[in-house]
Amino acid sequence: GAVVSQHPSWVICKSGTSVKIECRSLDFQATTMFWYRQFPKQSLMLMATSNEGSKATYEQGVEKDKFLINHASLTLSTLTVTSAHPEDSSFYICSARRTPETNVLTFGAGSRLTVL
Amino acid sequence: DAKTTQPTSMDCAEGRAANLPCNHSTISGNEYVYWYRQIHSQGPQYIIHGLKNNETNEMASLIITEDRKSSTLILPHATLRDTAVYYCIVIGSNYKLTFGKGTLLTVNP
Repeated sequence: GAVVSQHPSWVICKSGTSVKIECRSLDFQATTMFWYRQFPKQSLMLMATSNEGSKATYEQGVEKDKFLINHASLTLSTLTVTSAHPEDSSFYICSARRTPETNVLTFGAGSRLTVL
Repeated sequence: DAKTTQPTSMDCAEGRAANLPCNHSTISGNEYVYWYRQIHSQGPQYIIHGLKNNETNEMASLIITEDRKSSTLILPHATLRDTAVYYCIVIGSNYKLTFGKGTLLTVNP
């Protein structure tokens, strides 16, 4: 149980275009999802907390207008990288909290974005 | 959140126990110790967590010292597929999970 599906697994886009990444909890409801970014040979960096039915909470230094997060249902959160540039190329990973009062998170497999 | 200190890397022979240490001397009373791992180019995977008692599940055992200032994750019979970066995270419930640099465990044949 507790599976998080992330799509697409990898995407290549041209500079200036927007890319949407989906994160779905397949067998549980997730009121809270988290989006992370990971550059090569670095650790995961938390970008934002996505709450179902409300606005996402962004970490310091993360541009909310560039990384649009929508959590319209209990099983789906989306991250849209708007006007992508080569420096946005990274590994984006979502996760969902299995139960409200713990930090046991289930992570997706990640989405590798390459912006040309 | 309490800061953790982990060795940068460790090696282990296949079939042997892998013991990964973590120091968290500033841990507070309501903070848990969580362990996650990340196999190369995959999303992290939850392993185990504990507050003050030792814990065991199908993946690993977690030994927390009595003063809670350090802990050890034990993989009883390491396999090649256990090669990964292991993250020790100390955090209170319902807080945001942030990752440090972790320990790269390499299991050798």
